[in-house]
Amino acid sequence: QVQLVESGGGVVQPGRSLRLSCAASGFTFSSYGMHWVRQAPGKGLEWVAVISYDGSHKYYADSVKGRFTISRDTSQNTVYLQMNSLRGEDTAVYYCAKRFDESGSYYPAFDYWGQGSLVTVSS
Amino acid sequence: QTVVTQEPSFSVSPGGTVTITCGLSSGSVSTSYYPTWYQQTPGQAPRTLIYSTNTRSSGVPDRFSGSILGNKAALTITGAQADDESDYYCALYMGGGISVFGGGTKLTVL
Repeated sequence: QVQLVESGGGVVQPGRSLRLSCAASGFTFSSYGMHWVRQAPGKGLEWVAVISYDGSHKYYADSVKGRFTISRDTSQNTVYLQMNSLRGEDTAVYYCAKRFDESGSYYPAFDYWGQGSLVTVSS
Repeated sequence: QTVVTQEPSFSVSPGGTVTITCGLSSGSVSTSYYPTWYQQTPGQAPRTLIYSTNTRSSGVPDRFSGSILGNKAALTITGAQADDESDYYCALYMGGGISVFGGGTKLTVL
């Protein structure tokens, strides 16, 4: 069965860095685009980033562009979110999500979500 | 700055019908935005209900349907049940790899 397991969250000071991981299993990882979506405490969902199935294309929300980097390692079946220059407004649960098909499209249609990883940015 | 708009809250009676909409601060929503709808209950990860305007995800009951109504995307729940009480989010694809979520609609069934 498909599983997405996020890890790497925690408490970090403003300006510091953190890397989230999303370990995937149960499907052909190299065939699917992967997204990160976040949710601040008590707030709505915010799309963060997407990476194409082969890692050749990456796109970011304006709020994280230039600070966050999405990547993937097919040998590890893992997608990452490197978060630099963290701010208080980056405090959120971060979800990774799997694209439902292999079409290569980027619209955010997912069939599986991870359970989320909480990142708290605080001094 | 593109803002995706949703009604903050809605209430529906059990067995009733409710339509939640998803609009743009400027312009009209069309199928070209590939409207997608999600359901989220407290403490849980979201679940995708509808994608590409009107295609139900696997396992989603047919009481959930998606459409374009006027200049907005719409999620209609027909025959609402108690366990439909959730937060509902839409997302629109802006092109160039970028997507934007709406602020969410809190649905109460009572």
